Amino acid sequence: GAGVSQTPSNKVTEKGKYVELRCDPISGHTALYWYRQSLGQGPEFLIYFQGTGAADDSGLPNDRFFAVRPEGSVSTLKIQRTERGDSAVYLCASSLQGTRSDTQYFGPGTRLTVL
Amino acid sequence: AQSVTQLDSQVPVFEEAPVELRCNYSSSVSVYLFWYVQYPNQGLQLLLKYLSGSTLVKGINGFEAEFNKSQTSFHLRKPSVHISDTAEYFCAVNAGGTSYGKLTFGQGTILTVHP
Repeated sequence: GAGVSQTPSNKVTEKGKYVELRCDPISGHTALYWYRQSLGQGPEFLIYFQGTGAADDSGLPNDRFFAVRPEGSVSTLKIQRTERGDSAVYLCASSLQGTRSDTQYFGPGTRLTVL
Repeated sequence: AQSVTQLDSQVPVFEEAPVELRCNYSSSVSVYLFWYVQYPNQGLQLLLKYLSGSTLVKGINGFEAEFNKSQTSFHLRKPSVHISDTAEYFCAVNAGGTSYGKLTFGQGTILTVHP
């Protein structure tokens, strides 16, 4: 079946602009996760959803970052007033139930470049 | 808070040689441990995971890992590598608690298999 998909695959924007990154999880997966991977680093947790609600948003770096999942499926990560330091690959993952033992299935990522 | 250290950033090895990729974690609570692989231009893929029980875990593509609680390690091994194993490997921990769905990743180890 279809895996996790993310759009766009690449996004180039200018400092100060607003961007939205989209994630389509595997059908039927109740949990959805966002991570950020900077060059040469491992993925860093941002937020995860159980259904429509954010169960843990402790990884969001500041209030410029916001994520929604209004119908419990597709999620959008929104970044306001982008800064050059926001440049990274943004990864989305989903899992069946959101338990600790669940396998998280990752999408290919969105590469964000802020000029 | 939990942390994961991958002791080698790069590991070069010849084809058909054995390999060990090292991972140490720091956590004061019971942990679940994961190894993911990232092939060039692809998303992260689960290799194996330790939840409980036998400390030797077997995964896909001939990889295995051993959980050592006293040394807080979860090293990944393969007795004979192939060219196709060239990729970046990430160790991750889920320590539960208030961060129920969160994976904390190490910095990654780039495995390069030479003919």
